[in-house]
Amino acid sequence: DVKVTQSSRYLVKRTGEKVFLECVQDMDHENMFWYRQDPGLGLRLIYFSYDVKMKEKGDIPEGYSVSREKKERFSLILESASTNQTSMYLCASSRDRVDGYTFGSGTRLTVV
Amino acid sequence: GENVEQHPSTLSVQEGDSAVIKCTYSDSASNYFPWYKQELGKRPQLIIDIRSNVGEKKDQRIAVTLNKTAKHFSLHITETQPEDSAVYFCAASTPNAGKSTFGDGTTLTVKP
Repeated sequence: DVKVTQSSRYLVKRTGEKVFLECVQDMDHENMFWYRQDPGLGLRLIYFSYDVKMKEKGDIPEGYSVSREKKERFSLILESASTNQTSMYLCASSRDRVDGYTFGSGTRLTVV
Repeated sequence: GENVEQHPSTLSVQEGDSAVIKCTYSDSASNYFPWYKQELGKRPQLIIDIRSNVGEKKDQRIAVTLNKTAKHFSLHITETQPEDSAVYFCAASTPNAGKSTFGDGTTLTVKP
């Protein structure tokens, strides 16, 4: 069974902390994505990557950065966490640029 | 960029009835249209998809139709069951963009 694994299911961090969210896929997929999901706002794309060391901004990149040093791993970084970044974060991957996504289970981040 | 509108935002049906969710997209270059189901507390999962070279696709009780001229596509669920209760997201993918644009989701409730 193909998998996208997010390292933490729940995370609580303090305002101003640097936060790392990790995502690993075992499907040899080229493309990886980070979304945040908030009630009433659907799925909003933060960043995506179509190759190692490549990254593209999504719709809401402010306050975030990403790293993709290896094909299977895509990290989301909150440089200085703020309370408005409290959210559910979903990682996804796809084989091709126009293809279905496999999502991870999500990380519910609370910034206090 | 691509814009996807999804209607209705909530839908309540009796068990055994049919449910229809509609999406419109703006970019005529979009050529891949997946649908995802997200049960409460779980990850979104791809349930069916359609590419622009076909008008309809069916998988047991679910079907998707695509009207390229009108730029809309729909999800049809027949003989609904309580386990169909979930949030459903449509999406549209444009080759050059390398990503999917999601609708805001439809919360489907199937009453026993």
